[in-house]
Amino acid sequence: GQNIDQPTEMTATEGAIVQINCTYQTSGFNGLFWYQQHAGEAPTFLSYNVLDGLEEKGRFSSFLSRSKGYSYLLLKELQMKDSASYLCAVSSGRRALTFGSGTRLQVQP
Amino acid sequence: KAGVTQTPRYLIKTRGQQVTLSCSPISGHRSVSWYQQTPGQGLQFLFEYFSETQRNKGNFPGRFSGRQFSNSRSEMNVSTLELGDSALYLCASSLDSDRAQYFGPGTRLTVL
Repeated sequence: GQNIDQPTEMTATEGAIVQINCTYQTSGFNGLFWYQQHAGEAPTFLSYNVLDGLEEKGRFSSFLSRSKGYSYLLLKELQMKDSASYLCAVSSGRRALTFGSGTRLQVQP
Repeated sequence: KAGVTQTPRYLIKTRGQQVTLSCSPISGHRSVSWYQQTPGQGLQFLFEYFSETQRNKGNFPGRFSGRQFSNSRSEMNVSTLELGDSALYLCASSLDSDRAQYFGPGTRLTVL
């Protein structure tokens, strides 16, 4: 089976940096995705990691360690519009995506 | 490129009825996946279709079914609706299932 763990909620201040962690146990790992979902909207793709290391895309970066079953999403220079849920998802085995429960991030002024 | 579209956006049904939801993927995408999202369970994988074949299936009862047409458009059907089927149903398309998935706006189904 597969198991993905993320913190349920996080709070951070506008302009700060926040790191959202994701740990997973799975067999046949293919890759790890991060999605952002604003309330009442569909998830939008943020990043994809298949190899170990850091992938940077503007204010957002994602890190993967396959040996540790660990990833994090780093958000820099937080803005109020970054308040959303952040979903970690793992592709494994026959390539189906399994989503974590999501981390609800609240950015405060 | 146009994004993923889903119809209808909202639907109200009563217990015992059946419903069909439609999804048109991004042009060129052959993989279409369906998810159910509820506040308590999060995003749950229903099934994935690739080139008209169901390639993966989640842990949902047989009342949930789907299909994909030759133009990659997909439909999902839920028969004998139950109150617990009330949810947001999301469709996502991708070039392949291990690539980035792009979600449609969803169909919000309410079962009364």
